[in-house]
Amino acid sequence: GEDVEQSLFLSVREGDSSVINCTYTDSSSTYLYWYKQEPGAGLQLLTYIFSNMDMKQDQRLTVLLNKKDKHLSLRIADTQTGDSAIYFCAETPDDKIIFGKGTRLHILP
Amino acid sequence: DSGVTQTPKHLITATGQRVTLRCSPRSGDLSVYWYQQSLDQGLQFLIHYYNGEERAKGNILERFSAQQFPDLHSELNLSSLELGDSALYFCASSAGDLGAQYFGPGTRLLVL
Repeated sequence: GEDVEQSLFLSVREGDSSVINCTYTDSSSTYLYWYKQEPGAGLQLLTYIFSNMDMKQDQRLTVLLNKKDKHLSLRIADTQTGDSAIYFCAETPDDKIIFGKGTRLHILP
Repeated sequence: DSGVTQTPKHLITATGQRVTLRCSPRSGDLSVYWYQQSLDQGLQFLIHYYNGEERAKGNILERFSAQQFPDLHSELNLSSLELGDSALYFCASSAGDLGAQYFGPGTRLLVL
């Protein structure tokens, strides 16, 4: 079935790296996305990766894609308090977009 | 600011009523998507319109309907409202048929 899985919570110390993991289901997805939602706000596109790529780096963000295992991860280097938010991964089977339930990233001082 | 606008920001209504939520996509974007976000269900895709035509349907109830107008703005109509319809409703837009989506700030609906 269509189900994007993410762990619900992650706590990381400020300055450390955060790694948020996601498992998706549909290998036909052309794009896989990471979105960020801050409290009281809509979702903000963080980054995306094409399905024919293994890795994409964008400043502090690194996306890794393992198509064999249908596993997507988002690494945030040097995590800051402003990174505190909910992070959603999403796959794009057919003409739809399916979101995970989101991982709440909590930053410890 | 994503460039996607939604009105109203907040809406309080009673069970059995009907409401209309409005979305204006980013300038130049042809696709509009509607989502419902609730605490227990997470973010649920409802429907996608591209240049005025319905493209894909997700978990949209029969009591809900949407349309995209020639000027590309979209409306989501929710009728016979139930308590469980209380949620945040997001609209998103993208340039093409499927691509990176830009989300509006959402409409918070409370059904009493």
